[in-house]
Amino acid sequence: QKEVEQNSGPLSVPEGAIASLNCTYSDRGSQSFFWYRQYSGKSPELIMSIYSNGDKEDGRFTAQLNKASQYVSLLIRDSQPSDSATYLCAVNPPDSNYQLIWGAGTKLIIKP
Amino acid sequence: NAGVTQTPKFQVLKTGQSMTLQCAQDMNHNSMYWYRQDPGMGLRLIYYSASEGTTDKGEVPNGYNVSRLNKREFSLRLESAAPSQTSVYFCASSGPSSGAARYNEQFFGPGTRLTVL
Repeated sequence: QKEVEQNSGPLSVPEGAIASLNCTYSDRGSQSFFWYRQYSGKSPELIMSIYSNGDKEDGRFTAQLNKASQYVSLLIRDSQPSDSATYLCAVNPPDSNYQLIWGAGTKLIIKP
Repeated sequence: NAGVTQTPKFQVLKTGQSMTLQCAQDMNHNSMYWYRQDPGMGLRLIYYSASEGTTDKGEVPNGYNVSRLNKREFSLRLESAAPSQTSVYFCASSGPSSGAARYNEQFFGPGTRLTVL
């Protein structure tokens, strides 16, 4: 059974601090990893993709991938109230070019 | 570009009624997907179409049928709606991007909120 695990939260972070979201996956051969943001009542929005071990930075967002430990994380620097949302982790398993395995999401609350 | 569009946005059905959810994308993507999202359960794949002319079952296909009408359009049909099909339905599409099929960045439509009474 392929699984992607996330802490459901809510994770509460003060405004201006760093929010750290974590995700673990079970299929060691997975190659592509994605973070989506979903506001309440809206659809998921792709915010980061990462394919290689290490860090990938885009503005205030940094994705970190460690394939040996089978985890991927998302750091949000200088957190803003507008970052309050549910963050979904998705993983592309090695035996499918098309399907993603989804975590259930972590609810993030940024407190002003 | 509109991206991925879905109709309708909201729908209320009675048990046993049928309906079709429509999805279209203007990103020239090969692959399209139908998901349902229920509280606390994340996204679950119903059906997908890897390319025009092909469709495959996902994790939860029972009670649904799909049609890939052309490269742009992918519809989801509920033949006899049941209360267990009350959910939010999302359509998504993907490239491939970056010239490689395994880079499966999916882009979502706004969703359809369906209630079956």
